[in-house]
Amino acid sequence: GAVVSQHPSRVICKSGTSVKIECRSLDFQATTMFWYRQFPKKSLMLMATSNEGSKATYEQGVEKDKFLINHASLTLSTLTVTSAHPEDSSFYICSAREPSGHPGGEQYFGPGTRLTVT
Amino acid sequence: GNSVTQMEGPVTLSEEAFLTINCTYTATGYPSLFWYVQYPGEGLQLLLKATKADDKGSNKGFEATYRKETTSFHLEKGSVQVSDSAVYFCALKGGGTSYGKLTFGQGTILTVHP
Repeated sequence: GAVVSQHPSRVICKSGTSVKIECRSLDFQATTMFWYRQFPKKSLMLMATSNEGSKATYEQGVEKDKFLINHASLTLSTLTVTSAHPEDSSFYICSAREPSGHPGGEQYFGPGTRLTVT
Repeated sequence: GNSVTQMEGPVTLSEEAFLTINCTYTATGYPSLFWYVQYPGEGLQLLLKATKADDKGSNKGFEATYRKETTSFHLEKGSVQVSDSAVYFCALKGGGTSYGKLTFGQGTILTVHP
């Protein structure tokens, strides 16, 4: 099946600094990628939809100036958490969707990135 | 809006026991329904799906039937194994303004003991 990677898998940063997380589709081109946040013992919350070559679409309540998303190529999307605070500590998961028209059009998920802000 | 409700966990079973994880949904239109599994330290993997009413999705011994009349998509397996220990997420993909977006339930932790 299709493979999506994330880097880094874990990151610890100090409060006030910025952190970039990469999401790559390894064996297919993804015009659309999604970024989720997963709280302990809670579900995945969709943060934003990232479309290659255009601005990301953010869900209600998600600060677009804090969570910067860039989808510069068909295989790479990045999430930058700016001026991180301890409350931003969470598990961030990306997914990449097969191109429209492709059979299934499924989303494939990355392994997640554990962010800890101290 | 769309929502998914799963039974509270965690669920602890002995090997070869019967598994049911309940899932109900609220959605406009005709959503597609999914079960995803997350093994420890890994990302989510699609386990099975159903795209229309009365469809049955199945994979690796797991089954779920899309019941429109009860808005449910319960996950079942006749005989669980230790290797089935994971977190299971029910999800729907809706149409309209939510086109293409997945809405997840809260997840159910399953632990299977030998």
